[in-house]
Amino acid sequence: AQSVTQPDIHITVSEGASLELRCNYSYGATPYLFWYVQSPGQGLQLLLKYFSGDTLVQGIKGFEAEFKRSQSSFNLRKPSVHWSDAAEYFCAVGANQGGKLIFGQGTELSVKP
Amino acid sequence: EAGVAQSPRYKIIEKRQSVAFWCNPISGHATLYWYQQILGQGPKLLIQFQNNGVVDDSQLPKDRFSAERLKGVDSTLKIQPAKLEDSAVYLCASSPDRTTQYFGPGTRLLVL
Repeated sequence: AQSVTQPDIHITVSEGASLELRCNYSYGATPYLFWYVQSPGQGLQLLLKYFSGDTLVQGIKGFEAEFKRSQSSFNLRKPSVHWSDAAEYFCAVGANQGGKLIFGQGTELSVKP
Repeated sequence: EAGVAQSPRYKIIEKRQSVAFWCNPISGHATLYWYQQILGQGPKLLIQFQNNGVVDDSQLPKDRFSAERLKGVDSTLKIQPAKLEDSAVYLCASSPDRTTQYFGPGTRLLVL
């Protein structure tokens, strides 16, 4: 069965520090992988996606993610965090044809001044 | 380009009452999804439409939830009667190609 695990429920980083949010997935075929961000009281905004090709993908707001098939991982990174990045981050896997997304439980990011 | 629109944004009802949510997808997007997001969890798919046909409603509690997408554009999700455990955010998303999904702001439902 398809599943997504985000091991860290809550992470706190200092402003200006680097960030890595972990995501592991379980999926039988080549997955479509996504990272979304959700600010309080808002819907989900797409940060980046991986379908195929280059395993390092760039997204909006300075985020990037790397697909590692051998580790079934799709970790999100940012070299320097801004206070406005405080939000909840969701990793999701999609079936090639079905379009349905399976989400992880989310990682809440807090940013210290 | 306008995003996915949802209304109302907030709703408070008593248990056993009924409630309806409305979604207007991005223009031209054939696929529409309704997700339920319970506090502290990731969204879970309730139902997926392709144009005005249902593709996947395997996770929809059909004894109380119903959804329709007349004319393949707007969609309505209804709960009747509501239970306490239905308190959640209901997210609508649309996709032009069944790969990338674009989400609306959600409707926050509180059942008392």
